[in-house]
Order: sequence, then structure tokens, then C-alpha cells
Amino acid sequence: DAKTTQPNSMESNEEEPVHLPCNHSTISGTDYIHWYRQLPSQGPEYVIHGLTSNVNNRMASLAIAEDRKSSTLILHRATLRDAAVYYCILRDFYNQGGKLIFGQGTELSVKP
Amino acid sequence: NAGVTQTPKFQVLKTGQSMTLQCAQDMNHEYMSWYRQDPGMGLRLIHYSVGAGITDQGEVPNGYNVSRSTTEDFPLRLLSAAPSQTSVYFCASSYEQTNTEAFFGQGTRLTVV
Repeated sequence: DAKTTQPNSMESNEEEPVHLPCNHSTISGTDYIHWYRQLPSQGPEYVIHGLTSNVNNRMASLAIAEDRKSSTLILHRATLRDAAVYYCILRDFYNQGGKLIFGQGTELSVKP
Repeated sequence: NAGVTQTPKFQVLKTGQSMTLQCAQDMNHEYMSWYRQDPGMGLRLIHYSVGAGITDQGEVPNGYNVSRSTTEDFPLRLLSAAPSQTSVYFCASSYEQTNTEAFFGQGTRLTVV
């Protein structure tokens, strides 16, 4: 299974941008890059996903390296509500049957 | 449109008892899955289903059974509960297996004494 590597924790100040990195050097051509987050005492929540091109939505932006071996989740203005564990996951039908396999994620703390 | 609904929210079982955790979705999603999350850890996949009548094992399937007789429902059965199954259980669904977002339920907190 293709694996991802994320820092265990990161800190940010409120209202500043946050860049959460993810390395996936063994990514295959059919892997989609998904990001989820989990707020305390809640179920995971979808953030964004992409295949090759950068993606934007109302929550965040996803920047994907040209060789697809790394990606960065960008929160444009962090709020206290963004404090959560962020998971970078590769989702592939052909090699994994589309399973979402969670790693340890990055715990983001946001300071006022 | 209620999304993914899990019942019950909380449950206490005695060792050796059996129970079924319910999961239902009203979004006509083909793909459904069950996870467990132990304190301070990430989610681990127990079982998943790619459509009615089709199920497969995840990372930690032992002690759990599943079936998928309808598109909407994906129950998780504990046949003989053990203290090691004390955990928070999450159900998830998605329209298909790669290029769509997954929706998660709010979880069932299970304690086995």
C-alpha cells in the first residue's frame, strides 16, 4: 500500500496561513490524494482531494508537486476552529480497492 | 438528507455479550466502511463494502462480522465482546471508491467491561 508521511504536530497563529506538508514518494499514477481532518470528539471530516492539478474549495487549497511525490494542504487563514488532526491519505481503486487507510496525521494547534 | 447515521451513540457491554452497531446512509452511496479509533490513535479499518452483497476485510477484522443486504445499511456485529474491543467506532460512506469525498458518522463509543 502506498504510504504517506506527515509531521506529528504543527503550530499556527490565528488568522495566519498554514501549510501542512505530506510526502508520498511511492504514489502510483492512479492514487488520489485525499485530506481529512478530525476535530476533538468528532468523526473525520472531508477537506479536499485531487489527482494531479492543484485544487481549491471553500475550506482549503491543495498544492500537488509536479512529480506528485508530495502535496501541501493550505489553510489560508487559520481560525481556532481549525485546530484538529489532519490526515493525508492516498486512495486508489486498483491497488487498494479504494480503501481509506489513515496514518497518524498532523495535529495542528492554533494560537490566538 | 441525514448523511451517515450511527446508533447507538454510547454502549456498555459485558465481556462475552454480543451486539450490533448500526450504520445507515441515505445518499445512495455504494462504498461503506467501519473503523475503530483507540485513545490517542488514528483510525483503523475493520471491514468495508463496495456494494450490496459485497464485503471485505480491512486492517483489523478479527472479532467483527459485517453484511450488506441493502445499499443503505452496513451493520457491524460483535459476536463475543472482549475488553480489547473498547473503542470508538466510526462508519463512513462514499459514492464511489476514489474520486469522491467520504462522509463519516458521529461515532459509537463502546466500552466492554
